[in-house]
Amino acid sequence: DGGITQSPKYLFRKEGQNVTLSCEQNLNHDAMYWYRQDPGQGLRLIYYSQIVNDFQKGDIAEGYSVSREKKESFPLTVTSAQKNPTAFYLCASSMWAGGGGTEAFFGQGTRLTVV
Amino acid sequence: DAKTTQPTSMDCAEGRAANLPCNHSTISGNEYVYWYRQIHSQGPQYIIHGLKNNETNEMASLIITEDRKSSTLILPHATLRDTAVYYCIVLKRGTASKLTFGTGTRLQVTL
Repeated sequence: DGGITQSPKYLFRKEGQNVTLSCEQNLNHDAMYWYRQDPGQGLRLIYYSQIVNDFQKGDIAEGYSVSREKKESFPLTVTSAQKNPTAFYLCASSMWAGGGGTEAFFGQGTRLTVV
Repeated sequence: DAKTTQPTSMDCAEGRAANLPCNHSTISGNEYVYWYRQIHSQGPQYIIHGLKNNETNEMASLIITEDRKSSTLILPHATLRDTAVYYCIVLKRGTASKLTFGTGTRLQVTL
C-alpha cells in the first residue's frame, strides 16, 4: 500500500542529545514537510522540501535540521539547540502539481519527549 | 498566501448536518481552498478542495461563495467519529507551496 510512514511513534531522549525522526513515503511525491504540534495548538511548519537536495525553512526552523538525499526520505534532526523539543511531530508529502491543486498526505506522527 | 479565519469551536448533534464556515477574504485567483481534519493524536486527513465551483465527495461537500471570499464545509450526517479539529487552508495552484495550518475549528458531535 502507498503511504507515508513515520517512526518511531514514541521517542524518549535525554536533554542535550540530538535525535533524528524518520519519514518515508512511497507515493512518488516531490514535496515533503515537517510540522510540530504542541498540546491544544495548530500545526507549525518547521521545514519543507520541494525536490531532492533542496529544502526551505518554515516558520520555526531554529534548532532543527533536515536533509533530502532521496525522494522517498526526509529525516528531521532535533538538535540540542532546540529549547523546547518535547512535542508531536508530523511529516507530510504532496505531489508537485504543475497544473492544479494537490492534497497532502500525513504520517501518524512521532511523539518526542525530552527528559 | 491568503489567511483564513474559522470559529474556534462548534457543536453538532449526531445525524444532523455540520456546517463549518471559513473566511478567506484575501484569496487570490490562483489559490485553492482545502479542508483537512485532525482526530486527536493522529495526523491530519485530507477532506476536499475546490477552486471556485462547489465540490462533493464521499466525505463532504464544499460550498464556495461566488466572490470566493468564504466557504463552508458540510458534513451531511455528522457522526461521533467526525469529532475533530477542522482546518481550512488556501494554497496556490501549481506549486508545492508552504502548506500552513491555522488553529482550525474544533467540532464536537454529540448524541
